[in-house]
Amino acid sequence: KNQVEQSPQSLIILEGKNCTLQCNYTVSPFSNLRWYKQDTGRGPVSLTIMTFSENTKSNGRYTATLDADTKQSSLHITASQLSDSASYICVVSKITGGGNKLTFGTGTQLKVEL
Amino acid sequence: DTEVTQTPKHLVMGMTNKKSLKCEQHMGHRAMYWYKQKAKKPPELMFVYSYEKLSINESVPSRFSPECPNSSLLNLHLHALQPEDSALYLCASSQLTSGRSFGQFFGPGTRLTVL
Repeated sequence: KNQVEQSPQSLIILEGKNCTLQCNYTVSPFSNLRWYKQDTGRGPVSLTIMTFSENTKSNGRYTATLDADTKQSSLHITASQLSDSASYICVVSKITGGGNKLTFGTGTQLKVEL
Repeated sequence: DTEVTQTPKHLVMGMTNKKSLKCEQHMGHRAMYWYKQKAKKPPELMFVYSYEKLSINESVPSRFSPECPNSSLLNLHLHALQPEDSALYLCASSQLTSGRSFGQFFGPGTRLTVL
């Protein structure tokens, strides 16, 4: 069964601190993996996308890693800000023809506090 | 233009009403998607259009009727909805190259409340 599991389920950190979110998947055959940030009541916004051959991808304070052998990904957030408070969702795409179906993780709810 | 737009942002409707949700993208993407998302849950796929043709219907009740008038537009027609259909409805689009699709871009969503 294609699954995406994220940990931790929720996380509270102080402003300015770093954190790392984890994603393990069993989706196969693998096409790509995206990390999305979703504010409550809003659509997900893409942070990074990685294909099989990519090990790391950065977008400002966000750095994603991918180990396709162990089927693990992480999202590292540096120097956190209050605006980073959101749900972070790991989404894995299968190789298909035509429009594909994505497998969503259940997300990590991050709260950044003063 | 690198965004997906959705209208309206909010919609309140009665169970006997007929309404439509609209989605638009101008990124040249040939795959478009409708998702339903309940609070604190991941999005659930409803429909996928590839090259303006319905390619996936995730056994969605017939009170939801999708339509893809052209490659830039995607509609979701709503009729005789139930209160449990209240949710955030997300539209997304993606490239299709040689039959393979890439990561999806999401719109901001329409918050639907059925009374």
